[in-house]
Amino acid sequence: NAGVTQTPKFRILKIGQSMTLQCTQDMNHNYMYWYRQDPGMGLKLIYYSVGAGITDKGEVPNGYNVSRSTTEDFPLRLELAAPSQTSVYFCASNMGLPLGELFFGEGSRLTVL
Amino acid sequence: QKEVEQNSGPLSVPEGAIASLNCTYSDRGSQSFFWYRQYSGKSPELIMSIYSNGDKEDGRFTAQLNKASQYVSLLIRDSQPSDSATYLCAAPGAGGTSYGKLTFGQGTILTVHP
Repeated sequence: NAGVTQTPKFRILKIGQSMTLQCTQDMNHNYMYWYRQDPGMGLKLIYYSVGAGITDKGEVPNGYNVSRSTTEDFPLRLELAAPSQTSVYFCASNMGLPLGELFFGEGSRLTVL
Repeated sequence: QKEVEQNSGPLSVPEGAIASLNCTYSDRGSQSFFWYRQYSGKSPELIMSIYSNGDKEDGRFTAQLNKASQYVSLLIRDSQPSDSATYLCAAPGAGGTSYGKLTFGQGTILTVHP
């Protein structure tokens, strides 16, 4: 059982480049989330989705976009990368109950130079 | 004021001691609270959840909730070096239906030394 799978695990981008972080879960969870974690900080919610075709902004959505065409996949798109987007990105999913039990992927470490 | 705030740490305790981690929250409407553990370079994992006032025990871990004081704590008894990690306090986002969204504190780094 793979759980939540993120790719790539590491990536270096130049300023202004774009890329997509992939996230797939095989637990049939409706709720999915993207968080970012900066050094010494907690996690900040970027975007979330409550089901296929439904997405909404979290606390720090600027510079990012998401889509949810299937239950399994929730990719995060970074447009025009900036150094401020250097961070570790975590995708997570939740079955709906209990709402606080998030299952996280292994994370994607992104550096923008 | 941050929605969820943890004592800054880092916290260092000797093996076998009790480690006490604290968290305060601003939304009086929050009904549930969660403690996640994150080892260095790894993703967070849920270790405790608490929904009502009082204590909840699970093995060496005890979560304590005081809604009147808007205070949540995590006690780790008989601390082991393997407990060395960052501990994140989390609560549902303020206002409306949370849809499982969590607001995390900044984390407390715990080191248990032999």
